Amino acid sequence: QVQLQESGPGLVKPSETLSLSCTIFGDSINSAFWSWLRQPPGKALECLGVLHYSGVTRGTTNYHPSLANRVTISADMSKNQFSLDLRSVTAADTAIYFCARVQSPQYDYYMDVWGRGTTVTVSS
Amino acid sequence: SFELTQPPSVSVSPGQTARITCSGDALSKKYAYWYQQTSGQAPVLVIYEDTKRPSGIPERFYGSSSGTMATLTISGALVDDEADYYCSATDTSGIPYVVFGGGTRLTVL
Repeated sequence: QVQLQESGPGLVKPSETLSLSCTIFGDSINSAFWSWLRQPPGKALECLGVLHYSGVTRGTTNYHPSLANRVTISADMSKNQFSLDLRSVTAADTAIYFCARVQSPQYDYYMDVWGRGTTVTVSS
Repeated sequence: SFELTQPPSVSVSPGQTARITCSGDALSKKYAYWYQQTSGQAPVLVIYEDTKRPSGIPERFYGSSSGTMATLTISGALVDDEADYYCSATDTSGIPYVVFGGGTRLTVL
């Protein structure tokens, strides 16, 4: 059974960088695509980006257009982890952050395994 | 722009059929995906590629799509089905990215 576990600080100061990691259990990072998503309090889900770590597009990372200039998703194959860096955070970045495994049939993306999520608050 | 619209809430009695809609021009060409999120939990995929159920999802969850609207139908809704439901699709007009609907709160009581 595939499980994902998010880790990282729960409190980040405004203007600093939010950094989270997702450890993959029961699967190899080489086998699929991987994603970070978030959910602000009381709001809908938002996909921050998708990291392609398998197939012919391996090495590609596609980001949400509104966040592309602030976000980086990267992988550490030796640790079977992938990570999120979100720069210059504001209170609007306060959210539950989820990592997920992504399936990609016919250029679609959908998330078939999710981590439990980690709450990040941006506050001084 | 690529937008998906869901009703904020749907309410049914136990045993009734719940229908949750997701509308958007892109759905005439793109698959819809549905996620269930019970309170405080991570989302769970319940329908993919408009109509397919992942392993372990009960048969009472049924997905359909016609024109610019996708529908998640829950037949014989249970109290345990009370949750927020989100539809999604992928905008592939440029760099691909996932778009979610605003979510629908299903109340079963």
